[in-house]
Amino acid sequence: SYVLTQPPSVSVAPGKTARITCGGNNIGSKSVHWYQQKPGQAPVLVIYYDSDRPSGIPERFSGSNSGNTATLTISRVEAGDEADYYCQVWDSSSDLYVFGTGTKVTVL
Amino acid sequence: QVQLQESGPGLVKPSETLSLTCTVSGGSISSYYWSWIRQPAGKGLEWIGRIYTSGSTNYNPSLKSRVTMSVDTSKNQFSLKLSSVTAADTAVYYCAREGELTLGAFDYWGQGTLVTVSS
Repeated sequence: SYVLTQPPSVSVAPGKTARITCGGNNIGSKSVHWYQQKPGQAPVLVIYYDSDRPSGIPERFSGSNSGNTATLTISRVEAGDEADYYCQVWDSSSDLYVFGTGTKVTVL
Repeated sequence: QVQLQESGPGLVKPSETLSLTCTVSGGSISSYYWSWIRQPAGKGLEWIGRIYTSGSTNYNPSLKSRVTMSVDTSKNQFSLKLSSVTAADTAVYYCAREGELTLGAFDYWGQGTLVTVSS
């Protein structure tokens, strides 16, 4: 089945930019969605269809997708952005949703 | 504001059937896809399957032989049954909605319910 690979962790200083990658075979041909999950809470959708933001999500969150890599970018990182982040796609060959392995973002 | 709430036993014995219900409030259950997603402690998210309000389903092939989903539009609820459970099925189980404008992405989630498989 389709595999989405994310770095286990990303560390970033406050005010800087965090980039979280999601690797998959020809992922650029798929729609990628991103979720933020804080400890003990349900995931929250932060980016859908590669780069769209749901209502209420700050403009600091942006996304891109091309080739074999999708990227979630968090600009001007704040302490409150510390969380696990997951990418997600629909695997049409197997008719199932696939989540990435997850990335823990630590704000230094 | 749409809200989802999972309910069901928090402890299930090995080889028995796990049964959970998700109650949707603040909006209609009709004309949406509804999914179950689980997360073992300290691990990532796994999609279990989804049901449309017509009753059509898609299941994760890795769980398909053990999963049954159903929907009750009169009660604004949908349900999950997972049979022959083992310790590997211990996880937080979430119900979630695919948004009308975000088809394929989950825009509303329940708070999650921990199900432990143990004798």
